[in-house]
Amino acid sequence: NAGVTQTPKFQVLKTGQSMTLQCAQDMNHNSMYWYRQDPGMGLRLIYYSASEGTTDKGEVPNGYNVSRLNKREFSLRLESAAPSQTSVYFCASTPTPARGQETQYFGPGTRLLVL
Amino acid sequence: EDQVTQSPEALRLQEGESSSLNCSYTVSGLRGLFWYRQDPGKGPEFLFTLYSAGEEKEKERLKATLTKKESFLHITAPKPEDSATYLCALNTNAGKSTFGDGTTLTVKP
Repeated sequence: NAGVTQTPKFQVLKTGQSMTLQCAQDMNHNSMYWYRQDPGMGLRLIYYSASEGTTDKGEVPNGYNVSRLNKREFSLRLESAAPSQTSVYFCASTPTPARGQETQYFGPGTRLLVL
Repeated sequence: EDQVTQSPEALRLQEGESSSLNCSYTVSGLRGLFWYRQDPGKGPEFLFTLYSAGEEKEKERLKATLTKKESFLHITAPKPEDSATYLCALNTNAGKSTFGDGTTLTVKP
């Protein structure tokens, strides 16, 4: 099992450009999440998908959109990148949100620099 | 509003010098408190989940405890390979988590 995979690993964008961050998991998990982590800080939730076909906003959704393509894949799109979106982006998944099943499994991250 | 505060921000220990990391929290309804370890350039890795005050969990040199207001991660006789950032997170509604800013632990040989 590869677990949670993310592409690309690194990306440099110019202000105003768009891009999609890809995330896939092979653990048959129902719930998936996108976080951003700024230097010296913890993770902040951008969007999450409790199950296939549903998505909800997290703490910092402005400037982002998501698509739960199928059970395995959850993508994050930046329509018009801004320097404030320079960060490390982590995707995570859990079997379900139910008690005892909420442990999150994280991908290796995508490092994004917006100039 | 749910809040998680970790202290200290950074901790430097000599190998073998035991200490504790603190995670204090305020939450309307605690569904679980999580500890994760994060190595530089990598995603967080799960360590423990605690659900109720008084609960304790252990793994090698690490022991996590929980009260109604805070959690401690005790590290006994640490080794250099324990150097990492330790993140505390609350699980609240619908499986969403609120993370603290982490404690960066450095263990010198």
